[in-house]
Amino acid sequence: RKEVEQDPGPFNVPEGATVAFNCTYSNSASQSFFWYRQDCRKEPKLLMSVYSSGNEDGRFTAQLNRASQYISLLIRDSKLSDSATYLCAVNMGYSTLTFGKGTMLLVSP
Amino acid sequence: NAGVTQTPKFRVLKTGQSMTLLCAQDMNHEYMYWYRQDPGMGLRLIHYSVGEGTTAKGEVPDGYNVSRLKKQNFLLGLESAAPSQTSVYFCASRLAGAENEQFFGPGTRLTVL
Repeated sequence: RKEVEQDPGPFNVPEGATVAFNCTYSNSASQSFFWYRQDCRKEPKLLMSVYSSGNEDGRFTAQLNRASQYISLLIRDSKLSDSATYLCAVNMGYSTLTFGKGTMLLVSP
Repeated sequence: NAGVTQTPKFRVLKTGQSMTLLCAQDMNHEYMYWYRQDPGMGLRLIHYSVGEGTTAKGEVPDGYNVSRLKKQNFLLGLESAAPSQTSVYFCASRLAGAENEQFFGPGTRLTVL
């Protein structure tokens, strides 16, 4: 089993739709979790950290399920500008983050 | 603050040539990283450093060397470039502590002919 796994997509959704991505991780001792957004040919940028209690930032909601070892990202009311690749990252207790390969989202008019 | 900067932005090399990629951060971060990103492969860690004067191997270290002589700089060297090293290289840094996010530089696009 890979350490951090994501469905590569692409997820094709119309504007205004709600879409959710999951990311599974293998190490139950993992300590912190993040969602990054990467636009084509650009660097990854932090979208949000994922807290145990779940957290929301505008149209974006992140949740952590430690029992099943996955994190999720929910995007409501999708915009064209949300089209990007979404990377999850997990700190498994070391000095490095382990990244998934990313899920591509395409929002169409 | 400039954040994380990378030099150069683009470079074309011939097989066998050498070069050094420079990463600089002005956030006083302890940890610094070098990744390469290839289509379908995601981000792969090449080398990293947890402090000035320290370096460690990542997932794909072969063909690369690094140095961290100053806290704010992390250099990635290719001694004898190969076409397989054609990639986009990202540098990143963060504060120590599991809860801290990584900040990425804008990337260097390297082509080896």
